Amino acid sequence: ETGVTQTPRHLVMGMTNKKSLKCEQHLGHNAMYWYKQSAKKPLELMFVYSLEERVENNSVPSRFSPECPNSSHLFLHLHTLQPEDSALYLCASSQDFEAGALLSSYEQYFGPGTRLTVT
Amino acid sequence: GDSVTQMEGPVTLSEEAFLTINCTYTATGYPSLFWYVQYPGEGLQLLLKATKADDKGSNKGFEATYRKETTSFHLEKGSVQVSDSAVYFCALGFSGGYNKLIFGAGTRLAVHP
Repeated sequence: ETGVTQTPRHLVMGMTNKKSLKCEQHLGHNAMYWYKQSAKKPLELMFVYSLEERVENNSVPSRFSPECPNSSHLFLHLHTLQPEDSALYLCASSQDFEAGALLSSYEQYFGPGTRLTVT
Repeated sequence: GDSVTQMEGPVTLSEEAFLTINCTYTATGYPSLFWYVQYPGEGLQLLLKATKADDKGSNKGFEATYRKETTSFHLEKGSVQVSDSAVYFCALGFSGGYNKLIFGAGTRLAVHP
């Protein structure tokens, strides 16, 4: 596997279900991200992990719970979702440079996404 | 605050036509600029980038030049193909404690034979 992979690619779940989305990056990066992409809305940043520590949590409802067990893996645990949570969930990774290191160009690399439908 | 504005789509072109998708930005500091492309049913792919003023990014026949004086990063291609049909996102990147990207709303391109 190369790049950023996400599983499953498609998920249909009821509002009372619990499921998890998985993301794995094979790029040796040290930061990972979850985004939500809904129809007719801009891309929304949900969570950011840098060096396995959560550094951003953009007012996301508690029914979404991220987990980053190591720098290569990122999970998004889902429970009691609402129909408006139906969207494409994208994972991304990047190499964050520590202060004093070479300048980063700040690019992120994305996975193919998980298309989530909440019924 | 920092922001990116893209021309609204959809943009509809015939094959071999010239493409321009406008992108302007507002930013403090010295961001990097990117174009990402999203094909149907897929995630975002990095198409090209420029890290400083007057840099030109290019890939697959697409080009964009980082214009600090006009705060623009317009995407161009001389001859589009049906396979270029996708949604194109302009983005600026900077350090906000992590590698932060601010995306435009996206521009859908449809190329017809």
